[in-house]
Amino acid sequence: QVQLQESGPGLVKPSQTLSLTCTVSGGSISSGSYYWSWIRQPAGKGLEWIGRIYTSGSTNYNPSLKSRVTISVDTSKNQFSLKLSSVTAADTAVYYCAREWVVVNNWFDPWGQGTLVTVSS
Amino acid sequence: EIVMTQSPATLSVSPGERATLSCRASQSVSSNLAWYQQKPGQAPRLLIYGASTRATGIPARFSGSGSGTEFTLTISSLQSEDFAVYYCQQYNNWPPSYTFGQGTKLEIK
Repeated sequence: QVQLQESGPGLVKPSQTLSLTCTVSGGSISSGSYYWSWIRQPAGKGLEWIGRIYTSGSTNYNPSLKSRVTISVDTSKNQFSLKLSSVTAADTAVYYCAREWVVVNNWFDPWGQGTLVTVSS
Repeated sequence: EIVMTQSPATLSVSPGERATLSCRASQSVSSNLAWYQQKPGQAPRLLIYGASTRATGIPARFSGSGSGTEFTLTISSLQSEDFAVYYCQQYNNWPPSYTFGQGTKLEIK
């Protein structure tokens, strides 16, 4: 079955760019009618959707983060990536990647295990 | 932005009893509502999509209902492994976006 795994630096300095990659295994990122999303969760808090990408390259972003977010896809590597610029301590969170089903309704399944990113000097 | 409000914030229930969790949307989301379970240190796990369809492998004691703005997740007979935080999630078609509720923590009474 499809599995997702996040990777990237666990520590980022304020004002710099956070970069994460999600590797999809057990299936092709290009198969099926799926979007691929990033979601984050600050410690002890709820979930916030960051944005998504389709394998065509089409993207949608959370309006509250849109000016700082870029999501890209590399189908040859079966990966998609997140870049979040000008980070502050408020961007410290566990970042998850997830497959998004778009079949009449929309939901996320499966999710990666998550990776903690801390913004600190 | 559609705001999702879950209640209660914390629910204390004894094993074997029924738990009822609520999720309200600030405007209609039709049946585009999913529920997730999250245990400490783990990623969320999909339980219900389309408001009432159980995901693959989810036990029958989990059921979802509702449409429009009012939704309910019911766990008919709580098992020890069910104590966790539960989130609802909606999808808005335009502009495309998702929002989650703030979560309900289900704890052992």
